[in-house]
Amino acid sequence: NAGVMQNPRHLVRRRGQEARLRCSPVKGHSHVYWYRQLPEEGLKFMVYLQKENIIDESGMPKERFSAEFPKEGPSILRIQQVVRGDSAAYFCASVTAGLGYTFGSGTRLTVV
Amino acid sequence: EDQVTQSPEALRLQEGESSSLNCSYTVSGLRGLFWYRQDPGKGPEFLFTLYSAGEEKEKERLKATLTKKESFLHITAPKPEDSATYLCAVRPNSNSGYALNFGKGTSLLVTP
Repeated sequence: NAGVMQNPRHLVRRRGQEARLRCSPVKGHSHVYWYRQLPEEGLKFMVYLQKENIIDESGMPKERFSAEFPKEGPSILRIQQVVRGDSAAYFCASVTAGLGYTFGSGTRLTVV
Repeated sequence: EDQVTQSPEALRLQEGESSSLNCSYTVSGLRGLFWYRQDPGKGPEFLFTLYSAGEEKEKERLKATLTKKESFLHITAPKPEDSATYLCAVRPNSNSGYALNFGKGTSLLVTP
């Protein structure tokens, strides 16, 4: 599978619970980008990671959100103590030179 | 501030009725302008990258053009399968890596 894999596709959490979203980039890619798409809004950049390093987290909310990309395994976007406003589609992507982003199918988080 | 504005928000066309989508941008130095297609429930799919004013790219019924302030996505003789949301994004000098600023998109519906 040459694409970006995200799981789960759908995630339902109660307010106050933790959400963990996973992303495996295109095979051989060592950088990932996370974006959030709120209803009726455009995609917003959240964080840019390299394996074992956060390169740019300027788009991440200051509290409750964190991201990592370990040496082995997928990148994880973690949202602690979720609130209704966190309900959105979360996409990750990796970059192929000359072709731009390859996006995953996204994780749709619903907070109830 | 780097901004991307797409118009119209929604467009309904008859099959075969050509039209154009607009993407206006203000950036502090442009390292690329991108067009993506997004189908419901899926991640965005790469269409085109444009780098300099005057550049044009074509793919099937789609043609993207770029000026210093805006880009157009021309759709010639559209078919129902062209129905989707079309996203425009810019890569400004001020962003790290490949982080992009997206517009809110134009939702296109092509009816038979």
